[in-house]
Amino acid sequence: DAGVIQSPRHEVTEMGQEVTLRCKPISGHNSLFWYRQTMMRGLELLIYFNNNVPIDDSGMPEDRFSAKMPNASFSTLKIQPSEPRDSAVYFCASSPRTGGGYEQYFGPGTRLTVT
Amino acid sequence: AQTVTQSQPEMSVQEAETVTLSCTYDTSESNYYLFWYKQPPSRQMILVIRQEAYKQQNATENRFSVNFQKAAKSFSLKISDSQLGDTAMYFCAFMKQDAGNMLTFGGGTRLMVKP
Repeated sequence: DAGVIQSPRHEVTEMGQEVTLRCKPISGHNSLFWYRQTMMRGLELLIYFNNNVPIDDSGMPEDRFSAKMPNASFSTLKIQPSEPRDSAVYFCASSPRTGGGYEQYFGPGTRLTVT
Repeated sequence: AQTVTQSQPEMSVQEAETVTLSCTYDTSESNYYLFWYKQPPSRQMILVIRQEAYKQQNATENRFSVNFQKAAKSFSLKISDSQLGDTAMYFCAFMKQDAGNMLTFGGGTRLMVKP
């Protein structure tokens, strides 16, 4: 299996622009997670989906952030409008199913820079 | 809510020596899972080791082992025969049972292995 795939790997955009990050989970995995990593705040869970349904989005910082999972093999995280403080590495992770303490498999991350 | 604390922001060790990374957590749960993830400079998050709270036996994976002290809520990682490739950020993480495989991460410990 190719593992979790994220695109783009790097994104540089100007303040106010819309940014869309993409994730393809491992085939057969039922849970998908979006994280943000910064030096100041470490790894933060933004939102997670189970069977394509958003279960917990309490970590989404504000209304400028939205996430969708239209099918089992694709998810997006959108920031509109983007701000310099959104600069971070965004990770997507997937897990086989809920319960049982299954590990999360992480993608390579997208480094976002908002100027 | 659960919290995970890694009290050592940075550590260093000589190649071939042993090092122990500390992790403590706070929870009222009795059933849960604990993980150590490694993030090398490539930024890819990689699972190192996993422990079920209901198991008294400490988990081991080759050169990596844990000291799990449930009563003390402590979960340290021991790396034996350290190698240059072990240089990375190490994150301790907590997962409640039946909580959708959500992880709560500690702040990380940066480990440098010196030749």
